[in-house]
Amino acid sequence: QSVLTQPPSVSGAPGQRVTISCTGSSSNIGAGYDVHWYQQLPGTAPKLLIYGNSNRPSGVPDRFSGSKSGTSASLAITGLQAEDEADYYCQSYDSSLSAFYVFGTGTKVTVL
Amino acid sequence: QLQLQESGPGLVKPSETLSLTCTVSGGSISSSSYYWGWIRQPPGKGLEWIGSIYYSGSTYYNPSLKSRVTISVDTSKNQFSLKLSSVTAADTAVYYCARRRPLTMVRENDAFDIWGQGTMVTVSS
Repeated sequence: QSVLTQPPSVSGAPGQRVTISCTGSSSNIGAGYDVHWYQQLPGTAPKLLIYGNSNRPSGVPDRFSGSKSGTSASLAITGLQAEDEADYYCQSYDSSLSAFYVFGTGTKVTVL
Repeated sequence: QLQLQESGPGLVKPSETLSLTCTVSGGSISSSSYYWGWIRQPPGKGLEWIGSIYYSGSTYYNPSLKSRVTISVDTSKNQFSLKLSSVTAADTAVYYCARRRPLTMVRENDAFDIWGQGTMVTVSS
């Protein structure tokens, strides 16, 4: 099982703000390693959405933002749109024996 | 722009070896700084990192799979490959290849910035 925990699902109406948490531990997020976020639209490969905790790659709308504090990180989507309905995964590095590059459990965002 | 494409059998028998290849186009696999990796996703489940390789051949594997995984690189063909031995139904998944990009001087902070479309592999007799 993953060492990064996310809520299974979040939902919101169009235009609303939703947040997704990613909870880790002292061997990953709490150790200071960066958190990255990926968006996976239905039937497609994951796409890098946020890197280095809070940076957006070129082309990613500024509706998406990331933050990190302590052993957790968060992804916020403001002005929720229908096309944001997807699975979202956080990812970091873990220095324990579980794995090196670890992904979160994933969160399904539903636009009501 | 850089593209990755997975290829290989979609059906593998239990106890046999799964073999996949990722072909890199639009750029060189020998570019310094980048690692190349494999990630899988069982049906309806989350993502699992399998391992990464540098063009020089140095590798890093997920400890939970290390005893069964081999990742290799062929720079002449601009390809890297995955072999997973002694497969069971639990290895049924979509397998993605991806580029691991350095974002800071700390390589542990690399992100997977370019992904292949993925290939479904089913383990069944």
